[in-house]
Amino acid sequence: NAGVTQTPKFQVLKTGQSMTLQCAQDMNHEYMSWYRQDPGMGLRLIHYSVGAGITDQGEVPNGYNVSRSTTEDFPLRLLSAAPSQTSVYFCASSYGQGVNIQYFGAGTRLSVL
Amino acid sequence: GNSVTQMEGPVTLSEEAFLTINCTYTATGYPSLFWYVQYPGEGLQLLLKATKADDKGSNKGFEATYRKETTSFHLEKGSVQVSDSAVYFCALSDASGGSEKLVFGKGTKLTVNP
Repeated sequence: NAGVTQTPKFQVLKTGQSMTLQCAQDMNHEYMSWYRQDPGMGLRLIHYSVGAGITDQGEVPNGYNVSRSTTEDFPLRLLSAAPSQTSVYFCASSYGQGVNIQYFGAGTRLSVL
Repeated sequence: GNSVTQMEGPVTLSEEAFLTINCTYTATGYPSLFWYVQYPGEGLQLLLKATKADDKGSNKGFEATYRKETTSFHLEKGSVQVSDSAVYFCALSDASGGSEKLVFGKGTKLTVNP
């Protein structure tokens, strides 16, 4: 099983550019989420989705958009990248019921110059 | 709001040493508690979990007991190996509120030397 797949693994952007971080899961999970990981900050929730067509904001949503048109995919969009968005981004998914065991992708390392 | 506090690292140990990483939490309701591990260059993966008070989670020689009276979930291992070098995250999920969100601690980096 592929599990949770994130692309790209690395990306360098210039300030003001836009891009989409892709996330796909093949486990038929209802719940998907995006986190950013910064040194000394742990993981902080950006946006999450409890099912297709439903999204909500997490702890640090500003500067990011999401949509969930299918169960499998949950892309994260940066409309106008800023240096403060330099981070490692992780996508995760879970069944969404019962004990919340989340499965993580390998991450996307983003640098904004 | 819910929060998780874990001991700051980095932690450096010699092989076969005893490991403790402290974790305490603040939460409303009755959270489930987790330890996730992140090996270099990888995403997080679940190490162990506990869903109610006095439960003990265990995996790969690691253990943690859900202590409601002290709001703690400390991670322990009796004899660490070089392959245990990683970043360890304590996390909680408040299942009683129907929330699917995890709240993470800041992580503790462990380095085990041969």
